[in-house]
Amino acid sequence: DIQMTQSPSTVSASVGDRVTITCRASQSISMWLAWYQQKPGKAPKLLIYKSSSLENGVPPRFSGSGSGTEFTLTISSLQPDDFATYYCQGYYSYFPWTFGQGTKVDIK
Amino acid sequence: QVTLRESGPALVKPTQTLTLTCTFSGFSLSTTAMSVSWIRQPPGKALEWLARIDWDDGKSYNAFLRTRLTISKDTSKNEVVLRMINMDPVDTGTYYCARKMNLSGLDVWGQGTTVTVS
Repeated sequence: DIQMTQSPSTVSASVGDRVTITCRASQSISMWLAWYQQKPGKAPKLLIYKSSSLENGVPPRFSGSGSGTEFTLTISSLQPDDFATYYCQGYYSYFPWTFGQGTKVDIK
Repeated sequence: QVTLRESGPALVKPTQTLTLTCTFSGFSLSTTAMSVSWIRQPPGKALEWLARIDWDDGKSYNAFLRTRLTISKDTSKNEVVLRMINMDPVDTGTYYCARKMNLSGLDVWGQGTTVTVS
């Protein structure tokens, strides 16, 4: 089965910083990669699907890229509301789905 | 408006079977390319995908938990049920159900239900 590995596990950043999070799949999942944001005590929120498609209502400072086994989530200019934990998820139909272990973005 | 709501026992004993129900509205699970997944999250830990049921009754399970899980749907009641046998304290956490349609990810989530195994 496919394993998803995120890095780093924690990012310390300031408002206005550019933040990049990487997700690697143990085998190719084509473009079937989603990114979620989760805040404490809340359900996750879908940000990006199919590697680079922005979910409705998500600010354009969030972007995704990649295919095959390597993917990135970029926040172009970090805002106060963006301090949260981010998860990638591979959702290739032929395999059970898997989440990465999460990346916490906290205040520097 | 699409909503999902999880329900089930807040407390189960070790070795018991957990049965959770996801009741949804605003969409039909008989619509092509629609699916509902269960995901859990132990306190302070990462999300863990558990199982999925598709519009055509296709099912997929977490590789490490598949011997303990059963997912089913009742399209007429707009419900998806997850059963997990042989519960252990490490299964304590918040359990979510979420919808996926077409090419998207899990776009709508329930608020989650907390299960304690003790």
